[in-house]
Amino acid sequence: DVKVTQSSRYLVKRTGEKVFLECVQDMDHENMFWYRQDPGLGLRLIYFSYDVKMKEKGDIPEGYSVSREKKERFSLILESASTNQTSMYLCASSWITGATEAFFGQGTRLTVV
Amino acid sequence: EDKVVQSPLSLVVHEGDTVTLNCSYEVTNFRSLLWYKQEKKAPTFLFMLTSSGIEKKSGRLSSILDKKELFSILNITATQTGDSAVYLCAVEPLDNTDKLIFGTGTRLQVFP
Repeated sequence: DVKVTQSSRYLVKRTGEKVFLECVQDMDHENMFWYRQDPGLGLRLIYFSYDVKMKEKGDIPEGYSVSREKKERFSLILESASTNQTSMYLCASSWITGATEAFFGQGTRLTVV
Repeated sequence: EDKVVQSPLSLVVHEGDTVTLNCSYEVTNFRSLLWYKQEKKAPTFLFMLTSSGIEKKSGRLSSILDKKELFSILNITATQTGDSAVYLCAVEPLDNTDKLIFGTGTRLQVFP
C-alpha cells in the first residue's frame, strides 16, 4: 500500500512563528502536493512539486513556501504564521503521468493563536 | 476559470436509502474525473472516470461520467452508517501539471 505520512496530526503555533509541515511518501512518486482544506471552500492547492528541487505555485501560495530536497519528502513552510492560516493541511503524492490517482496523508490540523 | 461544483452540499438520509451525488465541471482540456471519500482526515480514492457512459462500480457504490453534459454522479445504494463522510469530486485537466481541481464536497450523513 502506498503510504503518505505527515509528521504531525495536530499543531498549535503562535502568530509570527515559523512552522514546518513535513510529508513523506514511500512510493517513489514524482508529484507531491500540499493542500489546505477549509469549510465551504473544499481543497485548495497551495504548492506542488513534480521533481526534486522543482516547485510550482498552486492557487493560494501567499504566505507559504515549500522545499523538496529529496524525492520522498515535501515540506510546507509558513514563514510567519498568521491566524488565517489555521486550517487542515493535506499532503498528497501521485505518479507524474498516466493514472493520476493521488494518495493523501492523514492531514495536519494547524491552529495559529 | 476552471471549476468543479458539487451538489447537494449536505445530505441526511436513513440507512437503506439510495443517494445520488452530483458533480459538474467547467474545465478546459479535461482528462479525468475522480471521486474521493473523506472520513475524519484524509480522502481515500473511490473511482477514476475518463470515458463517457461507462459505469464504474464497487460494491454499493457506482459512478458514471457524461462528458457531453460535463457532469458525473456517484450513487450509493442501501446506505449504511459507515457511508457517512464527505464525498469529494476532482477533475484533472489535460496538461502536464497533473493538478487536480476539487469541488467543495458533499457531506453525507446516514442515520440508523
